[in-house]
Amino acid sequence: GAVVSQHPSWVICKSGTSVKIECRSLDFQATTMFWYRQFPKQSLMLMATSNEGSKATYEQGVEKDKFLINHASLTLSTLTVTSAHPEDSSFYICSVRELGYSNQPQHFGDGTRLSIL
Amino acid sequence: SQQGEEDPQALSIQEGENATMNCSYKTSINNLQWYRQNSGRGLVHLILIRSNEREKHSGRLRVTLDTSKKSSSLLITASRAADTASYFCATDSQGAQKLVFGQGTRLTINP
Repeated sequence: GAVVSQHPSWVICKSGTSVKIECRSLDFQATTMFWYRQFPKQSLMLMATSNEGSKATYEQGVEKDKFLINHASLTLSTLTVTSAHPEDSSFYICSVRELGYSNQPQHFGDGTRLSIL
Repeated sequence: SQQGEEDPQALSIQEGENATMNCSYKTSINNLQWYRQNSGRGLVHLILIRSNEREKHSGRLRVTLDTSKKSSSLLITASRAADTASYFCATDSQGAQKLVFGQGTRLTINP
């Protein structure tokens, strides 16, 4: 069964809307979750590392005020795209890693396709 | 972050043939992982090979790792139409929590 649940799977909304995406770890506690963005026919680009109980670590070039991350519990991280614009349209994917992460794979959600009109 | 390179970018073969994809990376690693992504879906973990391993098998999958050349290959034997997907390598570097993904190979298996 699924290890990671990501919701919603598809969002279409108007420009200026804020959109929240949830990522839940179903099988284990995850102190760390990862948020990626993927454009069509491209690879995954890490946006930020979400840390339970502390601030997220953002990759260079990712606006932290634009992409708000909250990791309030060991099983839930949320990504909010604030005041979304058409250029924010993309496929957003989260992943989790078990505690004691060395030499363990990440488990990915099914992604959220965000379309901003 | 720097990404590894994969080749070919796209590969189209007939069902039953073998498919080989290559991945190169730049930094020292703890392990290298291969993932598959069906269109519009998340990534599915296929196989993880540690830096002290040279070859690993899982079913029809065979992965090799050459740390001296900083390269890895994924071989899918006796391909099936259901193997059609994008395949990504990802490196897990020493001291870092995050994975760095290659550009991916889009594999098409023709029935």
